[in-house]
Amino acid sequence: GEDVEQSLFLSVREGDSSVINCTYTDSSSTYLYWYKQEPGAGLQLLTYIFSNMDMKQDQRLTVLLNKKDKHLSLRIADTQTGDSAIYFCAERKGQAGTALIFGKGTTLSVSS
Amino acid sequence: DGGITQSPKYLFRKEGQNVTLSCEQNLNHDAMYWYRQDPGQGLRLIYYSQIVNDFQKGDIAEGYSVSREKKESFPLTVTSAQKNPTAFYLCASSISLLSYEQYFGPGTRLTVT
Repeated sequence: GEDVEQSLFLSVREGDSSVINCTYTDSSSTYLYWYKQEPGAGLQLLTYIFSNMDMKQDQRLTVLLNKKDKHLSLRIADTQTGDSAIYFCAERKGQAGTALIFGKGTTLSVSS
Repeated sequence: DGGITQSPKYLFRKEGQNVTLSCEQNLNHDAMYWYRQDPGQGLRLIYYSQIVNDFQKGDIAEGYSVSREKKESFPLTVTSAQKNPTAFYLCASSISLLSYEQYFGPGTRLTVT
């Protein structure tokens, strides 16, 4: 199966909170990431969390990590129309010499 | 202004032709990567390079080739052996292979007919 799994779509209203979920399979992953991709563009790192943390907050973004369940979530508070994009969860595996493993991405649609 | 450039943004080729996608970075990063993105799919790693004159196959290297003759450049050639080359190609770089952050270029959309 996939190393990293995400739901494909999420639709919210402007001003609401968005929660994007991700599950990963490698318990040795050292870093877990959230990237944002706007239409036709490259990926932009939003935030990351080290595997020895269980929460990280950065302005409107909150990342929660549940290592026992291998579950990662990204909460966007006060979601704006400019937050509409594809959000990718990614993990870095524990061993050296490997790159990031990405999920398929969650398309967030924000309606006004 | 530091960053990663990929050119061109859109590329069209006839089936059977090789095509080379450009990726240049002025971030002084040692590691560089090529990913392929298909609709509804995550990014899949094609090749990566830890340092000049070194590169390793990723998960889907068949039908692709790369070179790393200069630190700032990591061109990707899509050969005629690649069975389904139409995709969005993203180049990325990082300070080293173990750096926590990868910086991405804007991507090249390749269409082969």
